[in-house]
Amino acid sequence: DQQVKQNSPSLSVQEGRISILNCDYTNSMFDYFLWYKKYPAEGPTFLISISSIKDKNEDGRFTVFLNKSAKHLSLHIVPSQPGDSAVYFCAASFTNFGNEKLTFGTGTRLTIIP
Amino acid sequence: DSGVTQTPKHLITATGQRVTLRCSPRSGDLSVYWYQQSLDQGLQFLIQYYNGEERAKGNILERFSAQQFPDLHSELNLSSLELGDSALYFCASSPPGQGNEKLFFGSGTQLSVL
Repeated sequence: DQQVKQNSPSLSVQEGRISILNCDYTNSMFDYFLWYKKYPAEGPTFLISISSIKDKNEDGRFTVFLNKSAKHLSLHIVPSQPGDSAVYFCAASFTNFGNEKLTFGTGTRLTIIP
Repeated sequence: DSGVTQTPKHLITATGQRVTLRCSPRSGDLSVYWYQQSLDQGLQFLIQYYNGEERAKGNILERFSAQQFPDLHSELNLSSLELGDSALYFCASSPPGQGNEKLFFGSGTQLSVL
């Protein structure tokens, strides 16, 4: 049962344009959402997060949008740069009194074309 | 460099064998998490330890076990290995009091079962 879904395995975007990565979830108890970025031969690194009490969080070129009614979140990267080429994982968790664990999607491979 | 060290980086073994994966968390981090990433799968949560005690359990097979030692390093033991156990195994750590947004991942151990 895949509770967090990233339906696009890959995405190619021209340098300087906007990259939009999408993520859907099924468990309405999730109250915290995160994006992680992974380069080859490295572990995932935290990129940006959003609490369920917000619908938008921005950090520099990265913005995450949350639509709770649709159980959907998206990551926008503007402008896209070659160094953004990586695999992006969406993840979700819910407050469980210290037993929080992240549920990850399958990832989207983003390729920025120079 | 996340500060989380995993050894070995690569492991090739045969079906039926037993292996041990090792993880050293970042200095000061008390929690250690183990994740498995199989081909075309997201990161699947296996188990979490906090200061030597098991805190949460995910989809960990009975053939797998883990522990966290007094010096806070952790080992994941995989026994009676099957072809399907071939995967990338990640360890992550988090600082005390932090939620999942502060997970720092190691670079992983690539396990190949032949």
